[in-house]
Amino acid sequence: EVQLVQSGAEVKKPGESLKISCKGSGYIFTNYWIGWVRQMPGEGPEWMGVIWPSDSDTRYSPSFQGQVTISVDKSISTAYLQWSTLKASDTAMYYCARQLSSNDRRWFDPWGQGTLVTVSS
Amino acid sequence: DIQMTQSPSSLSASVRDRVTLTCRASQSISTYLNWYQQKPGKAPKLLIYAASSLQSGVPSRFSGSGSGTDFTLTISGLQPEDFATYYCQQTYSPPSFTFGPGTKVDI
Repeated sequence: EVQLVQSGAEVKKPGESLKISCKGSGYIFTNYWIGWVRQMPGEGPEWMGVIWPSDSDTRYSPSFQGQVTISVDKSISTAYLQWSTLKASDTAMYYCARQLSSNDRRWFDPWGQGTLVTVSS
Repeated sequence: DIQMTQSPSSLSASVRDRVTLTCRASQSISTYLNWYQQKPGKAPKLLIYAASSLQSGVPSRFSGSGSGTDFTLTISGLQPEDFATYYCQQTYSPPSFTFGPGTKVDI
């Protein structure tokens, strides 16, 4: 079974750093892009960026460029999303998802279960 | 940036109803359009990709159509488990794969 399993919920203070993870299993991890999505409370999803695990080629949505870092450790089939300085506005649910494609069309399946990040003083 | 809009923002329906949700892109995106279903506290689930292709395992009462700027998701015979929020997503303009604001389907 193809699965993405994310790390657990985090509660942090403004100014702290954080790295959350997304571990793939049931497929060849290096053969598929992995994306990250933010969903703020009561809002729709927002696309953050994608990474190619084979060579760590990373593409960020302009809204998130410079705000977060996406990385990967292909030896353990795990992608990461990290912040160096958290803000209260980073409070959200974060999802990872595997990108599939055909004839230049792209879609995302499966998704991880989500990691809730709460930033509060 | 390509902007996505969805209508209506919410709708009330009954079991066995036929429901049509609409998604519009701010510019032509060919068929680079996906539909997802999200239930409270759960991750989005892929229903339709490339505008009209049904994801494996998704009931055939779900169907998608459209090309260019206008797209629809139709649920033929609404079931109790279909009450959820539905999002469209464009993948024409990488890496900004923007989502629409969603349509909430409830009783």
